[in-house]
Amino acid sequence: SQQGEEDPQALSIQEGENATMNCSYKTSINNLQWYRQNSGRGLVHLILIRSNEREKHSGRLRVTLDTSKKSSSLLITASRAADTASYFCATGGSRGSTLGRLYFGRGTQLTVWP
Amino acid sequence: GAVVSQHPSRVICKSGTSVKIECRSLDFQATTMFWYRQFPKQSLMLMATSNEGSKATYEQGVEKDKFLINHASLTLSTLTVTSAHPEDSSFYICSARDGVTGELFFGEGSRLTVL
Repeated sequence: SQQGEEDPQALSIQEGENATMNCSYKTSINNLQWYRQNSGRGLVHLILIRSNEREKHSGRLRVTLDTSKKSSSLLITASRAADTASYFCATGGSRGSTLGRLYFGRGTQLTVWP
Repeated sequence: GAVVSQHPSRVICKSGTSVKIECRSLDFQATTMFWYRQFPKQSLMLMATSNEGSKATYEQGVEKDKFLINHASLTLSTLTVTSAHPEDSSFYICSARDGVTGELFFGEGSRLTVL
């Protein structure tokens, strides 16, 4: 990928279980974002974590960032069948002309079984 | 909320023809739009940055003569795949950056199939 790797590539769990996805990136960053993509659809922004933050929460989502290891994780707690989707991390420019120019990881395909 | 519309959502064309995909910001002005390509079960690859009123900036390895980008207004960017071949079949997604707030919004994507 242009940006880095994610693992696992695929994750299959039962409803109610937690899902953890990891992302590694290559360059220094100002922030890292996580997106969700339902099959054949556009992207939905989930959460942004800045480089000076270590952890961030949003509802059932928890994101961590370790800049020393150039890695991030996304935890979805109490998963639901509706959480079934592909999840991507993305890094990119955060200022000036590069703002919005994102590089995505390979993604994790999450399947939550009812 | 802000919406970015892509049209067409699906297109099938014959090899050798050109296909135009539109990306519109519906309720905000987008000074910058971005085009991505996504092959099945793969990640999104940034193709180019489209700036209103100026030439697009292409990522390394993306043929600018093959993928023509025009950003003629603050609400519309177009991607034209010229002389399309089966290997150009892909899912093309645009994003648009609100010139006032800086927020970024993605379109729903356009699936191109070249026969």
